[in-house]
Amino acid sequence: GAVVSQHPSWVICKSGTSVKIECRSLDFQATTMFWYRQFPKQSLMLMATSNEGSKATYEQGVEKDKFLINHASLTLSTLTVTSAHPEDSSFYICSALGGAKNGYTFGSGTRLTVV
Amino acid sequence: GDSVTQMEGPVTLSEEAFLTINCTYTATGYPSLFWYVQYPGEGLQLLLKATKADDKGSNKGFEATYRKETTSFHLEKGSVQVSDSAVYFCALSDSGNQFYFGTGTSLTVIP
Repeated sequence: GAVVSQHPSWVICKSGTSVKIECRSLDFQATTMFWYRQFPKQSLMLMATSNEGSKATYEQGVEKDKFLINHASLTLSTLTVTSAHPEDSSFYICSALGGAKNGYTFGSGTRLTVV
Repeated sequence: GDSVTQMEGPVTLSEEAFLTINCTYTATGYPSLFWYVQYPGEGLQLLLKATKADDKGSNKGFEATYRKETTSFHLEKGSVQVSDSAVYFCALSDSGNQFYFGTGTSLTVIP
C-alpha cells in the first residue's frame, strides 16, 4: 500500500535554530502534500498545502517566512521551521495525496521541542 | 466554520469491553466523515468513512453511522482487543482537500 516516510520522528533544538522535516512518498507520486500541526489538547490544524513545482498555499495565521515548505519533486516535501522558538514546539505531520485510489496517506509525525 | 468535537481521552478499557468514542461536527455543507487511527510510531491510517447521511462506515469490527439529525459520527466496537490501542481521530472534509480533525482520543486496552 501507499507509504509516506516522515523524518525525524522527534527532534529537540535550541531557540533560534532551524529544523527541517522531510516527508517522502515511497511508492507513489504525490501530486499534493499537506502539512498539519497539533498543539497539546488541540486539533490537527492544516498549515499549508503544497503542489510539486509551485509555491505552497498557507492557511490564515501561518507565517510563510517562518515555515518554509519546499515540494521540489513528486516524492519529497520538506518543512523547515526557521528561527524556532519554544512556542513552535508541536507535533507536525504531513499527508500526501496520491497512491492507491488517489487517497490521502499520512506520515508518522514529528514531535518538535524547542528549548 | 467547519469543526469537529471529539470525546477527550485517555480511555482505558479491558479486553472485550464495548467501545464508544463520541464525535460531533459542525459544517455548512454536506461533508464526508472519517475516522483515522494512529498506532504507536505510525502515520494516521483511514479506519472508516461515510459520505452521506445514514451511511455506516465499518472496518476491523469498528462502526460509525453518519447521523445528520444529531450531527454525529460516533465510533463503536463491540469487543476491543489489546491491538486496538491507538489514538483515534474523527475528521470531516467538506470539499476538495480541506480536512478538519478532532483532538484525537487515546485508547489503551488492557488484557
